[in-house]
Amino acid sequence: EADIYQTPRYLVIGTGKKITLECSQTMGHDKMYWYQQDPGMELHLIHYSYGVNSTEKGDLSSESTVSRIRTEHFPLTLESARPSHTSQYLCASSEYRPRGDVEKLFFGSGTQLSVL
Amino acid sequence: KNQVEQSPQSLIILEGKNCTLQCNYTVSPFSNLRWYKQDTGRGPVSLTIMTFSENTKSNGRYTATLDADTKQSSLHITASQLSDSASYICVVSDRGSTLGRLYFGRGTQLTVWP
Repeated sequence: EADIYQTPRYLVIGTGKKITLECSQTMGHDKMYWYQQDPGMELHLIHYSYGVNSTEKGDLSSESTVSRIRTEHFPLTLESARPSHTSQYLCASSEYRPRGDVEKLFFGSGTQLSVL
Repeated sequence: KNQVEQSPQSLIILEGKNCTLQCNYTVSPFSNLRWYKQDTGRGPVSLTIMTFSENTKSNGRYTATLDADTKQSSLHITASQLSDSASYICVVSDRGSTLGRLYFGRGTQLTVWP
């Protein structure tokens, strides 16, 4: 069982509100990721971090921002939520492995966001 | 364009029956292929990971196969249970230890009926 936690599990919010989705892991993993997933569709990487003070945008353009001030914490923020942001947001983490080893990716339970 | 295609899109089987899910990919270069189980409203959980040199791997009632030559993988579920109802996602990586690029399929939605 992976020790990676996301809060809240569900969030319903009005347009224009600022929101922060929380993600924490207790495994000491250097690498953390945010994915966005719509029903019946593949996961899309929106942000990732390879360590403290390191953040990068993923493959899917997103209006969200992230920060990585502590190893265990990787929050995602939307400054002004819109209905188009309605989706499931999944946080994940992995541990650096020596070359040749396969990194395992551990996911949190996700936050289902609905913007009205 | 690197892609991962899964079939069928959805599948309904009776409890106790076996089933096989398919995954075809065009990702190159290839490093490893993963199968995940995702329950509704939850995050994916890893079932198996296979590298280029592995052609089969089991995890309890789940057995994954890989043919790197034809770029095909399958996930076989034996003696299905109601708790197997979930989406099964195939993920292909083009790198090894860096986990730099993952290609996700859209999943097969499996429903097991009593």
